[in-house]
Amino acid sequence: QSVLTQPPSVSGAPGQRVTISCTRSSSYVGAIYDVHWYQQLPGTAPKLLIYANDNRPSGVPDRFSGSKSGTSASLAITGLRAEDEADYYCQSFDGSLSAWVFGGGTKVTVL
Amino acid sequence: EVQLVESGGGLVQPGGSLRLSCSASGFTFSSYAMHWVRQAPGKGLESVSVISGNGDSTYYVDSVKGRFTISRDNSKNTLYLQMTSLRAEDTAVYYCVRRTTGWWFDTWGQGTLVTVSS
Repeated sequence: QSVLTQPPSVSGAPGQRVTISCTRSSSYVGAIYDVHWYQQLPGTAPKLLIYANDNRPSGVPDRFSGSKSGTSASLAITGLRAEDEADYYCQSFDGSLSAWVFGGGTKVTVL
Repeated sequence: EVQLVESGGGLVQPGGSLRLSCSASGFTFSSYAMHWVRQAPGKGLESVSVISGNGDSTYYVDSVKGRFTISRDNSKNTLYLQMTSLRAEDTAVYYCVRRTTGWWFDTWGQGTLVTVSS
């Protein structure tokens, strides 16, 4: 069981908005640190998409946005495009485990 | 250009050993903590080991403690992962990853595949 829980999959039609949640598992206690998001296109290495909850690295389209509240975070993709079809992972630092942890990943499908 | 290039992966029998290398370029290597993150086939990401910029501090996930050793040679801008007593469950793509002071991973290598099988 991952410390961070994500839905296995989400889908949407082109142009729609989808959101991916990232929630600290109830089996673990304490707050979560800043949350970061990565996009992994098929057959490639992960790429940083959002850092420190709601910041986009240079070159990442503003269609991607992040937010965090308490022990949950979310990634939103607006104006969904075919090239957004990928796996998305959230990541944080777990103070109780002293470990860098990832969510289980969410596959985004563009219908 | 900031770049990380892994090498050393391959097919190894259970109980065998392998050493992964990661060559870094385009940045001051010694200024960054570095991780090895693995991804089993069809599975998610797992940070298995981390080493501080000067090499004085290391961390391992429980499943690899006592079997894997992370090290670095800052004079050669190279990160290593020595893997021993390999098991089938260690089969994965291993990524060399740079971690920022803000604790996110901003640069990933292309990955090297380790397959443990008889």
